[in-house]
Amino acid sequence: DTGVSQDPRHKITKRGQNVTFRCDPISEHNRLYWYRQTLGQGPEFLTYFQNEAQLEKSRLLSDRFSAERPKGSFSTLEIQRTEQGDSAMYLCASSRPEETQYFGPGTRLLVL
Amino acid sequence: EDQVTQSPEALRLQEGESSSLNCSYTVSGLRGLFWYRQDPGKGPEFLFTLYSAGEEKEKERLKATLTKKESFLHITAPKPEDSATYLCAVQGGGSYIPTFGRGTSLIVHP
Repeated sequence: DTGVSQDPRHKITKRGQNVTFRCDPISEHNRLYWYRQTLGQGPEFLTYFQNEAQLEKSRLLSDRFSAERPKGSFSTLEIQRTEQGDSAMYLCASSRPEETQYFGPGTRLLVL
Repeated sequence: EDQVTQSPEALRLQEGESSSLNCSYTVSGLRGLFWYRQDPGKGPEFLFTLYSAGEEKEKERLKATLTKKESFLHITAPKPEDSATYLCAVQGGGSYIPTFGRGTSLIVHP
């Protein structure tokens, strides 16, 4: 069990640029979740997949955000036209149905 | 809407000084209450899942308990390596998505 992995671990970008993050879940987990966390807050839900189907999206997920899980394995989260308010830690988690979520190390995004 | 309130926001202890962290919640049909530990700059690390009132779970110096309105994370004789933010989350009957509290930042001084 290699755990949930995320890449990159850190990303610095300029306002207006697009960024893409990758998450590789635990291999036998068919559910995958994306969260955003800012300093002093708990993780806030963004979206989740069961296999390749995106089943739920938060109202926090603006039109600039898109997520995919094309073959039901890894997932990508893309942010277009980044804004300074997008600076945060982006967390990925995975789980079996009805079971506990396990988190990856996160990708820290800084938008200048 | 599920709600989670954690207290205190921050806690400083001396090594060996036992204490408890509180997680108060409101949820429609509890499916699970989760405790995670988060070190600075890292993702949350799973500690416990509790499913029903009266349930207790232990791991090393940590013990989690659950009532119908709140959960406690008891830390017995803490060590400096227990310093971290402890997050509580609840999952209600109507959703697959847990709601997280803001966490309690624990610092244990040697």
